[in-house]
Amino acid sequence: SYELTQPPSVSVSPGQTASIICSGDKLGDKYVSWYQQKPGQSPVMVIYEDSKRPSGIPERFSGSNSGNTATLTISGTQAMDEADYYCQAWDITTVVFGGGTKLTVL
Amino acid sequence: QLQLQESGPGLVKPSGTLSLTCFVSGASIDTGHYYWGWIRQPPQKGLEWIGHINHSGTTYYNLSLKSRVTISIDTSKSQFSLNLGSVTAADTAVYFCVRVTLDRGDPAFDSWGQGTLVRVSS
Repeated sequence: SYELTQPPSVSVSPGQTASIICSGDKLGDKYVSWYQQKPGQSPVMVIYEDSKRPSGIPERFSGSNSGNTATLTISGTQAMDEADYYCQAWDITTVVFGGGTKLTVL
Repeated sequence: QLQLQESGPGLVKPSGTLSLTCFVSGASIDTGHYYWGWIRQPPQKGLEWIGHINHSGTTYYNLSLKSRVTISIDTSKSQFSLNLGSVTAADTAVYFCVRVTLDRGDPAFDSWGQGTLVRVSS
């Protein structure tokens, strides 16, 4: 079965750039979405189709996908961006989520 | 504004059936542009896709759950439902209903309900 791998945690200083990677076999051939989940809340889509931002998502969120790796980049990270982030893709009629990355802003 | 609201029992006995309904407001459920689905999250763990359905009843299921899962839709009531049979403690999770967008064919989840915690316990 297809798997997506994320680092369990990433730390970033306020105002700096955070990069969260998601790895999978030939992931660049698929569309990747990213979701942000804050404690006690439902996930929110922050990126879809590799690099598109839904309405209302700040411009500091961006995405890319090539080869075996997709990357969520948060520029000028703010304290409010501290959350769990999940990547997601579609593989032969199956939705796959990465294990999630906890982003700490410190 | 689209809203999704889960409802159903918060406690299910082992070997029983977990049944949840999601009521959709603020948008038509009877459209071919979207699917409607379920995702769950065990306590302190990651997200697991369960499956999704469109207005005409076409379904996709997680193969690991397929033998126990049924997702149905009632467009006249603007709601869709999840039935998960033969539950065990491993099915304890927060269950989210979601809207599934397929702009380029690959599904993504652009709207989420608030989630409902279902515990499996005797």
